[in-house]
Amino acid sequence: QKEVEQNSGPLSVPEGAIASLNCTYSDRGSQSFFWYRQYSGKSPELIMFIYSNGDKEDGRFTAQLNKASQYVSLLIRDSQPSDSATYLCAVPNAGGTSYGKLTFGQGTILTVHP
Amino acid sequence: DVKVTQSSRYLVKRTGEKVFLECVQDMDHENMFWYRQDPGLGLRLIYFSYDVKMKEKGDIPEGYSVSREKKERFSLILESASTNQTSMYLCASRDLPNEQFFGPGTRLTVL
Repeated sequence: QKEVEQNSGPLSVPEGAIASLNCTYSDRGSQSFFWYRQYSGKSPELIMFIYSNGDKEDGRFTAQLNKASQYVSLLIRDSQPSDSATYLCAVPNAGGTSYGKLTFGQGTILTVHP
Repeated sequence: DVKVTQSSRYLVKRTGEKVFLECVQDMDHENMFWYRQDPGLGLRLIYFSYDVKMKEKGDIPEGYSVSREKKERFSLILESASTNQTSMYLCASRDLPNEQFFGPGTRLTVL
């Protein structure tokens, strides 16, 4: 099993819809979770992070974390064409000399069509 | 604003050349990372460093080495470039437990 798995998509949604991006992870000791957005030809940029079980909202973005199920998701409400990008889930290693290293999922390609 | 800079956005080298990719961060972060990103393969960690002169292999270190003589600077070295090292190279830095910041990337082509 991969350490961090995402549905690779591509995911296509109409403008104004909710886009749902999912990520599962294998390290039960992981404490924090990050969602990055990467536009084509650009480097990843952080859009959300979450530490606690439950939901965290920031504008049109909501991150949901369920540590028992080892599952983190990102919802994008009122999707816009400018949200079209690859979304990367990242999970830190829990300990040892790899402490500080983030493990990234393969990314989900999202396309929002007008 | 945290800034991670990389020495070149685009680089073209010939097979067998020694290649240096430089990365500098301005926020006194302990941890620095080098990744390569290829279509369909995602982000793959080459090496990382958690302190000056300290380094640890990532998932794909073969053909690469690194140097961290100063806290703010982390260099990736391709000892003898090969065509299969043509890729986008991304440097990043992080201060635990916070987010990781990426540089703009270097697109390296090896002919």
